[in-house]
Amino acid sequence: DIQLTQSPSFLSASVGDRVTISCRASQGISNYLAWYQQKPGEAPKLLIYGASTLQTGVPSRFSGSGSGTEFTLTISSLRPEDFAAYYCQQVNRYPFMYTFGQGTKLEMK
Amino acid sequence: EVQLVQSGAEVQKPGESLKISCKGSGYSFSRYWIAWVRQMPGKGLEWMGIIYPSDSDTTYSPSFQGRVTISAVKSIDTAYLQWSSLEASDTAMYYCAMAATNLNGNYYFDYWGQGTLVTVSS
Repeated sequence: DIQLTQSPSFLSASVGDRVTISCRASQGISNYLAWYQQKPGEAPKLLIYGASTLQTGVPSRFSGSGSGTEFTLTISSLRPEDFAAYYCQQVNRYPFMYTFGQGTKLEMK
Repeated sequence: EVQLVQSGAEVQKPGESLKISCKGSGYSFSRYWIAWVRQMPGKGLEWMGIIYPSDSDTTYSPSFQGRVTISAVKSIDTAYLQWSSLEASDTAMYYCAMAATNLNGNYYFDYWGQGTLVTVSS
């Protein structure tokens, strides 16, 4: 099974900072990667799919990149509402199963 | 507007059975896969399984196979997650999510329910 490892697990930053979260796959997964944001007490929200395609309505300060085994979520200039947990996700085809990374908690410095 | 509305919070005792629900609206419910995702307190997201309401084709994560049952009734646009005998370790938030795929072969969850908190305690 393909595993996803996110780094860092915790990140402290300030409003206006540029932040980067990494997601590494244990095997190549082409661009089959999605990113989610989860605020406390809320359901996860899809940000990006296909490694770099922004979901409708997601602010352009969010971007995704990568292919194969290395992926990155970047927030170009942090806003107060961006402090949340972030998860990457991919699908194993055989056997069919979804996998999430362990998450990155972005906290205000 | 696509919506997934889940049933309310539950407090159950170990050994009891439970069935929680997820009702879809605003789209053709039977034509889109519905997944269940567990989030234990303070922890990350875990995919439990997925069902295609049109024919009830279901796939489980190996971690949850035999421990839960996923079902759907397409006539009422509702999916279910059930336990026959709860354990304290089943205490968690459970989300349903609509699975999407595109022509490029990407799989992701674009709509989520609000979550159902299940507490198992004696």
